[in-house]
Formats: sequence, C-alpha cells, structure tokens
Amino acid sequence: NAGVTQTPKFQVLKTGQSMTLQCAQDMNHNSMYWYRQDPGMGLRLIYYSASEGTTDKGEVPNGYNVSRLNKREFSLRLESAAPSQTSVYFCASSVTSGSTFFGPGTRLTVL
Amino acid sequence: QQQVKQSPQSLIVQKGGIPIINCAYENTAFDYFPWYQQFPGKGPALLIAIRPDVSEKKEGRFTISFNKSAKQFSLHIMDSQPGDSATYFCAATSNSGGSNYKLTFGKGTLLTVNP
Repeated sequence: NAGVTQTPKFQVLKTGQSMTLQCAQDMNHNSMYWYRQDPGMGLRLIYYSASEGTTDKGEVPNGYNVSRLNKREFSLRLESAAPSQTSVYFCASSVTSGSTFFGPGTRLTVL
Repeated sequence: QQQVKQSPQSLIVQKGGIPIINCAYENTAFDYFPWYQQFPGKGPALLIAIRPDVSEKKEGRFTISFNKSAKQFSLHIMDSQPGDSATYFCAATSNSGGSNYKLTFGKGTLLTVNP
C-alpha cells in the first residue's frame, strides 16, 4: 500500500514551458486535492476533486488546470509556467472521517 | 484574509519540555481541526485531530485542547524529544459533502527540541 505517490520529485522549467504533475492514490479515496507550499505561507489549496468526474477551484487556481483521470489519478498542469509558480506541490486524498493524507511532494523551480 | 492564525512562528525547547502551539480560527462553520507534522523534504503527516464536540483529545504524547467559544485550539507535546523537531501545521475544515474536506492551514511553527 503506497498511499499517495507523486511524480516527478523535482523539476526545473523555464518561463513559458508547460508540464504536468502526476498523482495517484491506492487507498480508494473519493476526494483528491492539489496544494502548494511556499515559505511562511503554509499550504494553500489549488484545485480539488470531490469525486471521480468532478473538479473545482480552490484558493489559488490561476495558472493551473487539473484532470481527474479516474478514481486513482489526479493530475495538475501548468500550461505556461511563471517564476511565481516556483513552489512545492503536494497531492492529497481524504476519507469520510476527514483524515487527509499527503504525498511526498514535487519541488518545482521556474527560471 | 487569513482564516487560521498560528503562533508562534518558531519555538525552541529543551528535551523533556512541553512546547505549546496555538491556533485561532474565524469561520464558525469549521468542524474538524487536524494537526500535521512535517519533516524537511517530506509531505505533511497527520498527527492528531479533534472535532468541536470535545474539549481535549490525547494520542500518546500529543494533546489537542479545544476552546469552541474562543475559537481557539492548541497542540501540546509532552516530554518532547529531539526527534519531534519539525514544522507543525494546524488546519481547519468542514465537510463539503461525502469525503470532501478542503483544509485551511495555519502558516506553521518550526519546533526545535534541543538535547
């Protein structure tokens, strides 16, 4: 049982490049999330998917898109990366009790 | 507008001490309050959580105290150890349907426990 997995672990992009961050969970959770973590800011919700087939915006959605490919997988896409998107990105999933489990993160630098 | 305020930003204690981290929230709809522990280079890990129908919850050396009228909750770490050195985040949420919980996080507290 791997929990929540994310790829890649590290990525460096140039301004304007695009990329997709991949996330998968093997806990059969309905809800999945993407958060970003910046120094001194805590974690902020980018997008979430309450269940397979649905997605919705969180607190900081600008510059991102998501796809809930199936119940297991939830990807985050940066269409045209900007230096302000330099951050650590965490995928998470949750159960009905409220417990939310996070992946190991993707460290993204945009030059 | 910051909905969950966490203090202090950093905290240094000696081994065996009892660090206390405080959080205050504004949204009265919040009904689930977890604490997360994060080590450098790792994802946040759920430590302990409380719902507002109880005033205290204890799991091992970790205790949450909850004051609903003051809209405040705190984490106490009993007999702290150097291995507890990490960043701690409080969070708050309410159920948005099914298993959907959108967490609002505090900004974190960097705890250092000296040997």
